[in-house]
Amino acid sequence: DVKVTQSSRYLVKRTGEKVFLECVQDMDHENMFWYRQDPGLGLRLIYFSYDVKMKEKGDIPEGYSVSREKKERFSLILESASTNQTSMYLCASSNRGPHSSGNTIYFGEGSWLTVV
Amino acid sequence: SQQGEEDPQALSIQEGENATMNCSYKTSINNLQWYRQNSGRGLVHLILIRSNEREKHSGRLRVTLDTSKKSSSLLITASRAADTASYFCATASRNSGNTPLVFGKGTRLSVIA
Repeated sequence: DVKVTQSSRYLVKRTGEKVFLECVQDMDHENMFWYRQDPGLGLRLIYFSYDVKMKEKGDIPEGYSVSREKKERFSLILESASTNQTSMYLCASSNRGPHSSGNTIYFGEGSWLTVV
Repeated sequence: SQQGEEDPQALSIQEGENATMNCSYKTSINNLQWYRQNSGRGLVHLILIRSNEREKHSGRLRVTLDTSKKSSSLLITASRAADTASYFCATASRNSGNTPLVFGKGTRLSVIA
């Protein structure tokens, strides 16, 4: 079974702190994603990556950056956390191939971040 | 840039009843996927239906796709309390290369025992 592991389930950080959310997948997937989920807004794509050292902006990249130094690991970075970044963050991965052809996405369990 | 929009936003039914959730999307697609999310957890893939299919079954799940109306429905028959979750449709535009799936806002289903 595909496993996408998010290292922290619950975090509480202070405004202005630098925050790292780590994600590792064990299925040699090329594609990795970071989504943010908020009540009433659904899932919104922050960043994605289709290869090592490659990154693409999603719909809401402002205030975030990512790092993909190894194929299995995709990190989301909040350079200076703000209270409006309090949310649930979901990491996901998928195999090589277009999603328009039916490529399935596998999700981690989510990381609940509270910024105070 | 959300493509899929689920309807209703929330649905509450009694155990044993059927639950129907609808999804509308905007552009041409090759397939549509449905995912399920238990409260506070990640999403899990349920079923995929291709544009040349009108209906697909998987256990108690039945998915239909009407490409002329750009809509899909997910039917859960004989619902159980364990079906309580949020359900999302996801699509990728046929002509979008390898852009990521776009998810709707989901339907929150509550099945009351």
